Amino acid sequence: KAGVTQTPRYLIKTRGQQVTLSCSPISGHRSVSWYQQTPGQGLQFLFEYFSETQRNKGNFPGRFSGRQFSNSRSEMNVSTLELGDSALYLCASSLGGPGNQPQHFGDGTRLSIL
Amino acid sequence: QQQVKQSPQSLIVQKGGISIINCAYENTAFDYFPWYQQFPGKGPALLIAIRPDVSEKKEGRFTISFNKSAKQFSLHIMDSQPGDSATYFCAASGNSGNTPLVFGKGTRLSVIA
Repeated sequence: KAGVTQTPRYLIKTRGQQVTLSCSPISGHRSVSWYQQTPGQGLQFLFEYFSETQRNKGNFPGRFSGRQFSNSRSEMNVSTLELGDSALYLCASSLGGPGNQPQHFGDGTRLSIL
Repeated sequence: QQQVKQSPQSLIVQKGGISIINCAYENTAFDYFPWYQQFPGKGPALLIAIRPDVSEKKEGRFTISFNKSAKQFSLHIMDSQPGDSATYFCAASGNSGNTPLVFGKGTRLSVIA
C-alpha cells in the first residue's frame, strides 16, 4: 500500500509570492492534516480536512489555507510568503472515523523563502 | 503555551543500553498518546501509542509507560541500537479524536557503539 505522497519535495520562493503544496493520502484515508515543522517551534498543527470539510484549524494567519478534493487529496496554499514561512510542511493522513485514528506522515515539502 | 513538555532535548546512549524519553501534559482531556520516530529527510513515523486505560504498552524493544495521575508518559527503548538514532516526538490528542495532535519539541537520540 502506497504511503502518503507530498509534492514537490523542495521549493524555493521569494518573499511576497504564493505557493501551493500537494498531498495524496493513503488509499482509503479520508482525513488529511497539515503541520509546519521548524527547529524552533517543532511540529505545529495547521489544519485538518475530512470529507472535503475543514474539521480543525490551528493558530496560523489567514495567509495559510487549504482544501480537500473528493478523492481525499489535499492542497495547502500560503500567500504573501514571509521569510518566517521557511519550514518543512508535513501532511498526515488517517482513516478519520470516530475515535483517535493513527496518523501517517509523508516526507514533507521543504519550503525555503529567499 | 506548550501543552506537551518533552525531555531531554538530546540523549546519548551506549549501544545495548536503555533510552528513556519523558513527556508531561496538562490537558486532562487528552486520551491518546502516540510516539513518533523521525529520521533526517523523512517524515515522522508512528512508533507506538497508548490510551490512558492502560499503564504500559510494549512492542518489541519499545515500551510506553503511562502515569495518569502524574499526567506523564515515557518511552523506553531497550537494547538501544545505532539504527535507533533519530529524533523522537511524543504527542497527545483528546476528545476521542476530535482535537488535533499536539507534539512535544522532540528528543534527538544518538546511540553510540
